[in-house]
Amino acid sequence: AAGVIQSPRHLIKEKRETATLKCYPIPRHDTVYWYQQGPGQDPQFLISFYEKMQSDKGSIPDRFSAQQFSDYHSELNMSSLELGDSALYFCASSSRNYGYTFGSGTRLTVV
Amino acid sequence: AQKVTQAQTEISVVEKEDVTLDCVYETRDTTYYLFWYKQPPSGELVFLIRRNSFDEQNEISGRYSWNFQKSTSSFNFTITASQVVDSAVYFCALSPSGTGNQFYFGTGTSLTVIP
Repeated sequence: AAGVIQSPRHLIKEKRETATLKCYPIPRHDTVYWYQQGPGQDPQFLISFYEKMQSDKGSIPDRFSAQQFSDYHSELNMSSLELGDSALYFCASSSRNYGYTFGSGTRLTVV
Repeated sequence: AQKVTQAQTEISVVEKEDVTLDCVYETRDTTYYLFWYKQPPSGELVFLIRRNSFDEQNEISGRYSWNFQKSTSSFNFTITASQVVDSAVYFCALSPSGTGNQFYFGTGTSLTVIP
């Protein structure tokens, strides 16, 4: 069965650079979520989109932005990267809270 | 307010022992979902179970079983006859019913199964 696809799997960036993470949800899932998991931490909710509109917002820094496109894929844009942004970034998709599935994550390292 | 508490930070058991991971939640919603996820060292979040707040039936899946008790707001997870491959961090999560609602994760329980 199709899963949530995240790209890239690993990303290394320098401080103050910009990064773009991509998420391709399961077909027919209408909601996408982004989470950030720091080392040894639980995943923290960043933002979600339902039918291409932002539906909920968590602890997402102003340096980050995200959107969901017409094909339902989503991108998380991160600018002016800081060392503290190094984390595992998960995308999840769902359809009416059923089949909430996480991608494998993108491991971002800021050096 | 939504909150999930996993009081056990780390647990170590010897292989073939049974182990129960505790999860206590707080929510004002009458309809919500509870989840357990496994996060092995490779990092991905592996879905284990989803439970609707109206469904208090316990569930067993192989060596895994879940005990949902609404009266005590608990959703505990038991692994029977643990194996080394069960070593991972386990997260309990709560999601209010409705579209686009985020997950509220517990802080996770790190389980180590010793051969």
